Amino acid sequence: KQEVTQIPAALSVPEGENLVLNCSFTDSAIYNLQWFRQDPGKGLTSLLLIQSSQREQTSGRLNASLDKSSGRSTLYIAASQPGDSATYLCAVDQAGTALIFGKGTTLSVSS
Amino acid sequence: DTAVSQTPKYLVTQMGNDKSIKCEQNLGHDTMYWYKQDSKKFLKIMFSYNNKELIINETVPNRFSPKSPDKAHLNLHINSLELGDSAVYFCASSRGGETIYFGEGSWLTVV
Repeated sequence: KQEVTQIPAALSVPEGENLVLNCSFTDSAIYNLQWFRQDPGKGLTSLLLIQSSQREQTSGRLNASLDKSSGRSTLYIAASQPGDSATYLCAVDQAGTALIFGKGTTLSVSS
Repeated sequence: DTAVSQTPKYLVTQMGNDKSIKCEQNLGHDTMYWYKQDSKKFLKIMFSYNNKELIINETVPNRFSPKSPDKAHLNLHINSLELGDSAVYFCASSRGGETIYFGEGSWLTVV
């Protein structure tokens, strides 16, 4: 059974710092991997989707990498801002049917 | 225009009642989902429908019954509500294997 783990569970950084969020999954037979952001009391916003055949995706200050064989993905956030404070969720899609989520990393960026 | 909309956003009800949460998507997607986010913020798939057909039914009590009248709607009906049903319920949709779009969530509190 697929399990998704995110480390660290919480992270506090000063504004301007570059940071990396980690995600690991136990079954490498995935269809794609997605990173989401969730603000308190809100729904989820999709940040990046990496297909199983891809190694990375970039959007603005965000870069996500995927190493399927080792069951790992990282989300790199450059020059962090207070507005980046949120919970970041990693999720894998095994059969193009539904996502299996990690428990998230709660990021706090102080000004 | 809201891509995935669900109503109500907040629902407080007594144990034993029956309630429904409605979901509609205007993205033309063929797959819709219900996810549950518990008090520890962990997101878990409950149901997945593709073209009105049930394709995923996780180990959810049969008091929960999804209904998909058409591809754009997936409603969740809950019978005999229990305290443990208190959670945030998210509706989502996608075009099989692509980015999943989530609604804003429905906060259910059972008292």
